[in-house]
Amino acid sequence: AQTVTQSQPEMSVQEAETVTLSCTYDTSESDYYLFWYKQPPSRQMILVIRQEAYKQQNATENRFSVNFQKAAKSFSLKISDSQLGDAAMYFCAYRTSGNTPLVFGKGTRLSVIA
Amino acid sequence: DSGVTQTPKHLITATGQRVTLRCSPRSGDLSVYWYQQSLDQGLQFLIQYYNGEERAKGNILERFSAQQFPDLHSELNLSSLELGDSALYFCASSEKGGGNYGYTFGSGTRLTVV
Repeated sequence: AQTVTQSQPEMSVQEAETVTLSCTYDTSESDYYLFWYKQPPSRQMILVIRQEAYKQQNATENRFSVNFQKAAKSFSLKISDSQLGDAAMYFCAYRTSGNTPLVFGKGTRLSVIA
Repeated sequence: DSGVTQTPKHLITATGQRVTLRCSPRSGDLSVYWYQQSLDQGLQFLIQYYNGEERAKGNILERFSAQQFPDLHSELNLSSLELGDSALYFCASSEKGGGNYGYTFGSGTRLTVV
Protein backbone atom coordinates (compact mmCIF):
# COMPACT_ATOMS: atom_id res chain seq x y z
CA ALA A 1 0.00 0.00 0.00
CA GLN A 2 1.11 3.48 -0.76
CA THR A 3 2.17 5.57 2.22
CA VAL A 4 2.92 9.24 2.65
CA THR A 5 5.25 10.42 5.41
CA GLN A 6 5.61 13.91 6.77
CA SER A 7 8.43 13.79 9.27
CA GLN A 8 7.95 17.28 10.72
CA PRO A 9 4.88 17.46 12.99
CA GLU A 10 5.48 21.16 13.60
CA MET A 11 7.46 23.93 11.95
CA SER A 12 7.74 27.65 12.50
CA VAL A 13 8.94 30.50 10.32
CA GLN A 14 9.43 34.22 10.71
CA GLU A 15 7.19 36.43 8.64
CA ALA A 16 8.75 37.20 5.23
CA GLU A 17 11.18 34.28 5.53
CA THR A 18 11.22 31.00 3.59
CA VAL A 19 10.30 27.59 4.95
CA THR A 20 10.40 24.10 3.47
CA LEU A 21 8.05 21.30 4.49
CA SER A 22 9.15 17.73 3.81
CA CYS A 23 7.21 14.83 2.38
CA THR A 24 8.26 11.38 1.26
CA TYR A 25 6.11 8.66 -0.23
CA ASP A 26 6.34 5.00 -0.99
CA THR A 27 5.09 3.60 -4.26
CA SER A 28 5.96 1.12 -6.97
CA GLU A 29 4.00 3.07 -9.58
CA SER A 30 5.65 5.21 -12.22
CA ASP A 31 2.67 7.42 -13.04
CA TYR A 32 1.05 9.29 -10.18
CA TYR A 33 0.11 12.70 -8.82
CA LEU A 34 1.24 14.56 -5.73
CA PHE A 35 -0.51 17.38 -3.91
CA TRP A 36 -0.11 19.77 -1.04
CA TYR A 37 -3.24 20.82 0.81
CA LYS A 38 -3.55 23.59 3.38
CA GLN A 39 -5.95 23.37 6.32
CA PRO A 40 -6.28 26.69 8.15
CA PRO A 41 -8.06 26.99 11.52
CA SER A 42 -11.36 27.11 9.63
CA ARG A 43 -10.68 23.41 8.82
CA GLN A 44 -11.40 23.91 5.13
CA MET A 45 -9.11 21.80 2.91
CA ILE A 46 -7.54 24.02 0.26
CA LEU A 47 -5.43 22.73 -2.64
CA VAL A 48 -2.12 24.59 -2.71
CA ILE A 49 -0.18 22.91 -5.50
CA ARG A 50 -0.02 19.73 -7.56
CA GLN A 51 2.68 17.84 -9.41
CA GLU A 52 2.43 15.19 -12.12
CA ALA A 53 5.10 12.53 -11.73
CA TYR A 54 5.85 12.38 -15.45
CA LYS A 55 6.78 16.07 -15.48
CA GLN A 56 10.35 16.83 -14.46
CA GLN A 57 9.70 20.52 -14.02
CA ASN A 58 8.83 21.50 -10.47
CA ALA A 59 5.41 23.08 -10.03
CA THR A 60 5.09 26.65 -8.77
CA GLU A 61 2.08 28.69 -7.67
CA ASN A 62 3.02 32.24 -6.71
CA ARG A 63 4.92 31.99 -3.40
CA PHE A 64 4.56 28.21 -3.27
CA SER A 65 6.88 25.84 -5.08
CA VAL A 66 7.83 22.20 -4.82
CA ASN A 67 11.04 20.23 -5.06
CA PHE A 68 10.08 16.95 -6.66
CA GLN A 69 12.74 14.26 -6.56
CA LYS A 70 11.19 11.21 -8.22
CA ALA A 71 14.07 8.81 -7.62
CA ALA A 72 14.20 9.72 -3.96
CA LYS A 73 10.37 9.72 -3.73
CA SER A 74 10.51 13.14 -2.14
CA PHE A 75 8.08 16.03 -2.59
CA SER A 76 8.85 19.07 -0.45
CA LEU A 77 6.92 22.34 -0.34
CA LYS A 78 8.72 25.67 -0.19
CA ILE A 79 6.86 28.74 0.97
CA SER A 80 8.60 32.01 0.18
CA ASP A 81 7.94 35.40 1.79
CA SER A 82 5.83 33.72 4.48
CA GLN A 83 2.72 35.57 5.57
CA LEU A 84 0.63 35.31 8.73
CA GLY A 85 -2.14 33.80 6.65
CA ASP A 86 0.09 30.86 5.77
CA ALA A 87 -0.23 29.54 9.32
CA ALA A 88 -2.07 26.22 8.96
CA MET A 89 -1.75 22.46 8.81
CA TYR A 90 -0.20 21.32 5.56
CA PHE A 91 -0.92 17.87 4.20
CA CYS A 92 0.99 16.07 1.51
CA ALA A 93 -1.10 13.68 -0.59
CA TYR A 94 -0.56 11.08 -3.29
CA ARG A 95 -2.66 9.20 -5.78
CA THR A 96 -1.95 6.90 -8.70
CA SER A 97 -3.11 7.63 -12.21
CA GLY A 98 -6.05 5.24 -11.91
CA ASN A 99 -9.29 6.17 -10.23
CA THR A 100 -7.87 5.67 -6.75
CA PRO A 101 -8.38 7.79 -3.66
CA LEU A 102 -5.95 10.34 -2.31
CA VAL A 103 -3.66 9.08 0.44
CA PHE A 104 -2.68 11.75 2.94
CA GLY A 105 0.26 12.21 5.26
CA LYS A 106 -0.32 13.09 8.90
CA GLY A 107 0.39 16.75 8.32
CA THR A 108 2.80 19.48 9.42
CA ARG A 109 1.55 22.34 11.55
CA LEU A 110 3.14 25.59 10.38
CA SER A 111 3.30 28.63 12.65
CA VAL A 112 4.23 32.04 11.30
CA ILE A 113 5.86 34.42 13.75
CA ALA A 114 5.33 38.13 13.30
CA ASP B 1 -17.61 28.41 -1.44
CA SER B 2 -15.87 25.35 -2.87
CA GLY B 3 -18.99 24.07 -4.62
CA VAL B 4 -19.16 20.95 -2.43
CA THR B 5 -21.95 21.25 0.13
CA GLN B 6 -22.02 19.28 3.34
CA THR B 7 -24.83 19.27 5.88
CA PRO B 8 -25.09 19.58 8.76
CA LYS B 9 -22.00 21.55 9.76
CA HIS B 10 -22.19 20.41 13.35
CA LEU B 11 -23.85 17.41 14.95
CA ILE B 12 -23.97 16.40 18.60
CA THR B 13 -25.46 13.05 19.46
CA ALA B 14 -25.37 10.37 22.11
CA THR B 15 -23.58 7.03 22.07
CA GLY B 16 -25.55 4.29 20.41
CA GLN B 17 -27.40 6.65 18.10
CA ARG B 18 -27.44 6.80 14.31
CA VAL B 19 -26.76 9.85 12.15
CA THR B 20 -26.72 10.67 8.46
CA LEU B 21 -24.28 13.09 6.88
CA ARG B 22 -25.12 14.55 3.50
CA CYS B 23 -22.92 15.74 0.65
CA SER B 24 -23.70 17.41 -2.66
CA PRO B 25 -20.72 17.32 -5.03
CA ARG B 26 -19.53 20.16 -7.20
CA SER B 27 -21.59 20.52 -10.36
CA GLY B 28 -20.40 18.09 -13.00
CA ASP B 29 -18.30 15.94 -10.65
CA LEU B 30 -19.17 12.26 -10.70
CA SER B 31 -16.89 10.99 -7.94
CA VAL B 32 -17.55 11.46 -4.24
CA TYR B 33 -15.10 10.57 -1.49
CA TRP B 34 -15.63 10.43 2.26
CA TYR B 35 -12.80 11.04 4.72
CA GLN B 36 -12.59 11.02 8.50
CA GLN B 37 -10.29 13.38 10.39
CA SER B 38 -9.93 12.72 14.09
CA LEU B 39 -8.52 15.42 16.38
CA ASP B 40 -5.21 16.73 15.01
CA GLN B 41 -4.82 13.71 12.76
CA GLY B 42 -4.54 13.23 9.03
CA LEU B 43 -7.42 12.36 6.77
CA GLN B 44 -8.41 8.71 6.66
CA PHE B 45 -10.15 7.52 3.53
CA LEU B 46 -13.49 5.83 4.15
CA ILE B 47 -15.21 5.19 0.83
CA GLN B 48 -15.51 6.37 -2.77
CA TYR B 49 -18.46 6.42 -5.16
CA TYR B 50 -18.44 7.07 -8.87
CA ASN B 51 -21.70 7.83 -10.66
CA GLY B 52 -23.73 5.88 -8.15
CA GLU B 53 -21.47 2.88 -7.77
CA GLU B 54 -19.03 2.07 -5.01
CA ARG B 55 -15.48 2.24 -6.34
CA ALA B 56 -13.14 1.88 -3.40
CA LYS B 57 -13.31 1.18 0.29
CA GLY B 58 -10.84 2.25 2.92
CA ASN B 59 -10.84 1.72 6.65
CA ILE B 60 -14.58 2.07 6.98
CA LEU B 61 -16.18 0.38 9.96
CA GLU B 62 -19.05 -2.08 9.45
CA ARG B 63 -21.22 0.31 11.49
CA PHE B 64 -20.74 2.89 8.74
CA SER B 65 -22.34 2.79 5.32
CA ALA B 66 -22.76 5.14 2.41
CA GLN B 67 -24.51 5.53 -0.90
CA GLN B 68 -24.62 7.85 -3.87
CA PHE B 69 -27.98 8.68 -5.35
CA PRO B 70 -28.99 9.24 -9.02
CA ASP B 71 -28.70 13.01 -8.55
CA LEU B 72 -25.10 12.32 -7.39
CA HIS B 73 -25.52 13.51 -3.85
CA SER B 74 -24.14 11.13 -1.25
CA GLU B 75 -25.00 10.16 2.29
CA LEU B 76 -22.78 8.66 4.97
CA ASN B 77 -24.65 6.73 7.65
CA LEU B 78 -23.01 6.17 11.01
CA SER B 79 -24.75 3.85 13.45
CA SER B 80 -24.22 2.53 16.99
CA LEU B 81 -22.08 5.56 17.56
CA GLU B 82 -19.19 5.43 19.99
CA LEU B 83 -17.20 8.21 21.63
CA GLY B 84 -14.29 7.44 19.30
CA ASP B 85 -16.39 8.27 16.26
CA SER B 86 -16.19 11.93 17.19
CA ALA B 87 -14.37 13.54 14.28
CA LEU B 88 -14.58 15.87 11.34
CA TYR B 89 -16.06 14.10 8.32
CA PHE B 90 -15.16 15.48 4.95
CA CYS B 91 -16.77 14.89 1.62
CA ALA B 92 -14.83 15.64 -1.54
CA SER B 93 -15.61 15.41 -5.22
CA SER B 94 -13.56 15.18 -8.37
CA GLU B 95 -14.00 15.40 -12.11
CA LYS B 96 -14.46 12.43 -14.42
CA GLY B 97 -10.72 11.93 -14.66
CA GLY B 98 -10.63 10.74 -11.11
CA GLY B 99 -9.00 13.62 -9.39
CA ASN B 100 -5.87 14.22 -11.43
CA TYR B 101 -6.33 17.88 -10.57
CA GLY B 102 -7.02 17.19 -6.92
CA TYR B 103 -10.24 16.97 -5.01
CA THR B 104 -12.58 19.74 -4.04
CA PHE B 105 -13.50 19.43 -0.39
CA GLY B 106 -16.59 20.48 1.45
CA SER B 107 -16.31 22.34 4.72
CA GLY B 108 -16.91 19.17 6.71
CA THR B 109 -19.35 17.94 9.32
CA ARG B 110 -18.08 18.03 12.87
CA LEU B 111 -19.59 15.10 14.75
CA THR B 112 -19.45 15.02 18.53
CA VAL B 113 -20.60 11.87 20.29
CA VAL B 114 -21.34 12.33 23.99
